[in-house]
Amino acid sequence: DTAVSQTPKYLVTQMGNDKSIKCEQNLGHDTMYWYKQDSKKFLKIMFSYNNKELIINETVPNRFSPKSPDKAHLNLHINSLELGDSAVYFCASSRTWTGGSYGYTFGSGTRLTVV
Amino acid sequence: AQTVTQSQPEMSVQEAETVTLSCTYDTSESDYYLFWYKQPPSRQMILVIRQEAYKQQNATENRFSVNFQKAAKSFSLKISDSQLGDAAMYFCAYRSPRNNAGNMLTFGGGTRLMVKP
Repeated sequence: DTAVSQTPKYLVTQMGNDKSIKCEQNLGHDTMYWYKQDSKKFLKIMFSYNNKELIINETVPNRFSPKSPDKAHLNLHINSLELGDSAVYFCASSRTWTGGSYGYTFGSGTRLTVV
Repeated sequence: AQTVTQSQPEMSVQEAETVTLSCTYDTSESDYYLFWYKQPPSRQMILVIRQEAYKQQNATENRFSVNFQKAAKSFSLKISDSQLGDAAMYFCAYRSPRNNAGNMLTFGGGTRLMVKP
């Protein structure tokens, strides 16, 4: 069983469209994240949820809206897609909220291409 | 805010040789956690090794080891007996133990490692 699964793996869409990326983890972790990896491979956090509650909301356009129906799921909805949104989006989860030496478990990423 | 710097955009190593990837970070905290992640062409992010700042002993995982210099805020990764499968992007990451940091990982810009047969 895949620990953190993201769908779809690839997404090609036109400017102006609305799209969603889904993420599910079966590790029992209580914190989930969305990271964006740009064309230069730089990874930057977008959002963090702990037990369905939004904890981190970095400087991200309002067109990006995360939704966590339960602690095992964190979806990312993007409205009015722009060319600059093209990137790889990673979902991740971790076991503890209060710190600790646990790293993240990452999904395999979603490559979004806006044309 | 913490920053993580990887000063080597690319490194190359001969198969079976040893290579060291550099990472420095900036923080005012005394306790924190450091990680190295590997990203092969498959895009998957894989945890290679972790280090708690309160531990003086350097972490080791098989062929991978770190040189953690807390005073210098340096956290380098040494790969011994390099294999073709080690070719990947390597990311250094910092994690604060503070509750309001949200468990966030701050990543360096990455080092692309090439392994020559």
